[in-house]
Amino acid sequence: AQTVTQSQPEMSVQEAETVTLSCTYDTSESNYYLFWYKQPPSRQMILVIRQEAYKQQNATENRFSVNFQKAAKSFSLKISDSQLGDTAMYFCAFILSQGAQKLVFGQGTRLTINP
Amino acid sequence: EPEVTQTPSHQVTQMGQEVILRCVPISNHLYFYWYRQILGQKVEFLVSFYNNEISEKSEIFDDQFSVERPDGSNFTLKIRSTKLEDSAMYFCASSVRQGSNFITDTQYFGPGTRLTVL
Repeated sequence: AQTVTQSQPEMSVQEAETVTLSCTYDTSESNYYLFWYKQPPSRQMILVIRQEAYKQQNATENRFSVNFQKAAKSFSLKISDSQLGDTAMYFCAFILSQGAQKLVFGQGTRLTINP
Repeated sequence: EPEVTQTPSHQVTQMGQEVILRCVPISNHLYFYWYRQILGQKVEFLVSFYNNEISEKSEIFDDQFSVERPDGSNFTLKIRSTKLEDSAMYFCASSVRQGSNFITDTQYFGPGTRLTVL
């Protein structure tokens, strides 16, 4: 079974700083996808970024980028120039490329951006 | 931009009552999902649905739960006899598979329905 672990329950940084959220996962499969979802106080789940395991290049989306280390089964999210609107719960999630189409989520990291 | 919608945003019910949570997936999506999140906990998979049948379900999705696509746009989750522990945020999601190798596509989530069982 696949598992996702986020070891940082809470983080707090000042506005404009860079912050990195950690995520590790465990799977015996080689083809899968990884995601970061953001959940603001409204509790809606919003996709932040996605990474295909077969791609060596790390995904980027504007101020958001990932550091994907397949051998280490690590998938961290870096937020550059953090903004107050980045304050949210961040969930790392995993899904197999084939077979079961269920997302497996980590426990989440509560990120607070302070003015 | 198309999005998944869910109604109601908040549902309060008495223990033992039936509830139906409604979702309208993105129109060209073929796979539909329900997840739940008990307050303060991680998001958990409940069920996936494709071609008018359940493709996978978790151990949480017992006989009290059912899903249906009653028409071409709605996707519903029914809880027959609610329990206190069913209180949670319920998220609907949808995705479209691409290609003959069923390459996974991203699941897009609705805003959720907060279910409170008293």
